[in-house]
Amino acid sequence: RKEVEQDPGPFNVPEGATVAFNCTYSNSASQSFFWYRQDCRKEPKLLMSVYSSGNEDGRFTAQLNRASQYISLLIRDSKLSDSATYLCVVTLPGFQKLVFGTGTRLLVSP
Amino acid sequence: NAGVTQTPKFQVLKTGQSMTLQCAQDMNHNSMYWYRQDPGMGLRLIYYSASEGTTDKGEVPNGYNVSRLNKREFSLRLESAAPSQTSVYFCASSLLWANVLTFGAGSRLTVL
Repeated sequence: RKEVEQDPGPFNVPEGATVAFNCTYSNSASQSFFWYRQDCRKEPKLLMSVYSSGNEDGRFTAQLNRASQYISLLIRDSKLSDSATYLCVVTLPGFQKLVFGTGTRLLVSP
Repeated sequence: NAGVTQTPKFQVLKTGQSMTLQCAQDMNHNSMYWYRQDPGMGLRLIYYSASEGTTDKGEVPNGYNVSRLNKREFSLRLESAAPSQTSVYFCASSLLWANVLTFGAGSRLTVL
């Protein structure tokens, strides 16, 4: 089983839609969780950290479900500019290393 | 505020040639990393430097060497390039080890 798994997509949604992605991780003792955004042919950039209590930043909400070992990203009122690949990142126990998922591609259409 | 700067942005090499990718950060970060990104494989760690003066192998170190020149700079060297090293290379840094990363813009390398 991969350490971090994401549905590659693409998720095709119209503008204004709500879309959610999940990311599962295999090590139950993983410590930190992040969502990064990567535009085509660009570098990944931090979108948000994921806290145990969940967190929200404008139209974006991230949640952690430790019991089922996944994190989620919810995007409300999708914009064309949200089209990108969303990377899930997990820190292994003891801060051994960061593990990147292969990403979920989102395409928002007019 | 430059962040992480890596050079060159593009490079074409012939098999067997050598080259060095340069990376510098101006955020006073302690840890630096080199990743490669290939279609369908995500980001894979080549080498990292948890702090100035240390370097360690990541998942895919074969064919590469690194130098942490000082706190700001971390270079990646391909001694004898192979077509399998055709990829996009990203340098990254973080204040604390295995924490939030800031990436450079990437270097696209093609080995013929």
